[in-house]
Amino acid sequence: EAQVTQNPRYLITVTGKKLTVTCSQNMNHEYMSWYRQDPGLGLRQIYYSMNVEVTDKGDVPEGYKVSRKEKRNFPLILESPSPNQTSLYFCASRTGGAQETQYFGPGTRLLVL
Amino acid sequence: GQNIDQPTEMTATEGAIVQINCTYQTSGFNGLFWYQQHAGEAPTFLSYNVLDGLEEKGRFSSFLSRSKGYSYLLLKELQMKDSASYLCAAMNSGGYQKVTFGTGTKLQVIP
Repeated sequence: EAQVTQNPRYLITVTGKKLTVTCSQNMNHEYMSWYRQDPGLGLRQIYYSMNVEVTDKGDVPEGYKVSRKEKRNFPLILESPSPNQTSLYFCASRTGGAQETQYFGPGTRLLVL
Repeated sequence: GQNIDQPTEMTATEGAIVQINCTYQTSGFNGLFWYQQHAGEAPTFLSYNVLDGLEEKGRFSSFLSRSKGYSYLLLKELQMKDSASYLCAAMNSGGYQKVTFGTGTKLQVIP
């Protein structure tokens, strides 16, 4: 079954404590992205990746890091989380090509105290 | 950059047809996505239009006019389970083909 998985699904943490949200896809897609979703603002892209070792900033990259060492994995790293990073986070992977389709992971709800 | 506009909320009656519009302004455009998102869940892919015209998939159809920067999602024979947010997203041309989302249209289907 084609899927994008994220872990953890829910996380409560404190300001400044480093955390990583993992993302994995089993569809051999080259394109992957991280989004955050906030009420009234819609989905905003944080970082994206075109392939292994190729990443770039999206619209709201401040305070986040990513890595793409393997095709299937694209973790999101918050080195020093702050309360304004409290949000719902989605990882997504995309097919590319003529039959373009983008699949989303189930989401990670993060609360930073 | 990209600017995506869609209505914030719509209400429609069960069994009816509803059209959700989306306009976009972009410096480079490849195609347009539509997604459905139920509250608290992940977006689910509905369609991706690259060429002008209407594409039909069961009860859902999506239309694109590249010259007008306009798209719509048409939902027929509305069901209560269609109550959800519908997200329009433009993908730009270029190496990565970055995707920019609108803020979504919350559709309420009433009996």
